[in-house]
Amino acid sequence: AQSVSQHNHHVILSEAASLELGCNYSYGGTVNLFWYVQYPGQHLQLLLKYFSGDPLVKGIKGFEAEFIKSKFSFNLRKPSVQWSDTAEYFCAIAPSGGSYIPTFGRGTSLIVHP
Amino acid sequence: EAQVTQNPRYLITVTGKKLTVTCSQNMNHEYMSWYRQDPGLGLRQIYYSMNVEVTDKGDVPEGYKVSRKEKRNFPLILESPSPNQTSLYFCATVRANVLTFGAGSRLTVL
Repeated sequence: AQSVSQHNHHVILSEAASLELGCNYSYGGTVNLFWYVQYPGQHLQLLLKYFSGDPLVKGIKGFEAEFIKSKFSFNLRKPSVQWSDTAEYFCAIAPSGGSYIPTFGRGTSLIVHP
Repeated sequence: EAQVTQNPRYLITVTGKKLTVTCSQNMNHEYMSWYRQDPGLGLRQIYYSMNVEVTDKGDVPEGYKVSRKEKRNFPLILESPSPNQTSLYFCATVRANVLTFGAGSRLTVL
């Protein structure tokens, strides 16, 4: 069975600060990796995903994530956060090669002060 | 427009009173799933369905039932709700591992 660990449960930043949210996973095979975002009062939506190819993936709103296979990690980054990035961020994985439903981490709450 | 529609969006009920949260999708996706979201616990899968008449338990199925009689609908049934089922519930469809979520249903059981 697969599992996902997000190290930071709560992150508080000021606008223009850089962001990195950690995500590590456990699974014996090849995985697809995701970051979802949930803005206050809204449902989750896909931020970015990695299936194969270039391990540096760019998503919406200036976010990017890097897949490091040797570290089983898929950390989310943004060079300069904005107040509107305040949200909850979820890392998720799913075994590749099939139609598997993803497994989620517990989420990281990000608050950005203006 | 691709949509996952949940109803009701908000519900306050009492212990033991059966309720159903409906979920409908217009994308003809085979896979559907229910999650509950609780503070500090993230998203936990309740049940999922790979196709019509095919359902399976997720991580926290106790106290819930589901049915999949047709592809577009995947209702979540709480036969006898208890206060520990107070939560935010999300229905989602899955295609190529990517989830599309409904807007969520906030349930309070008194």
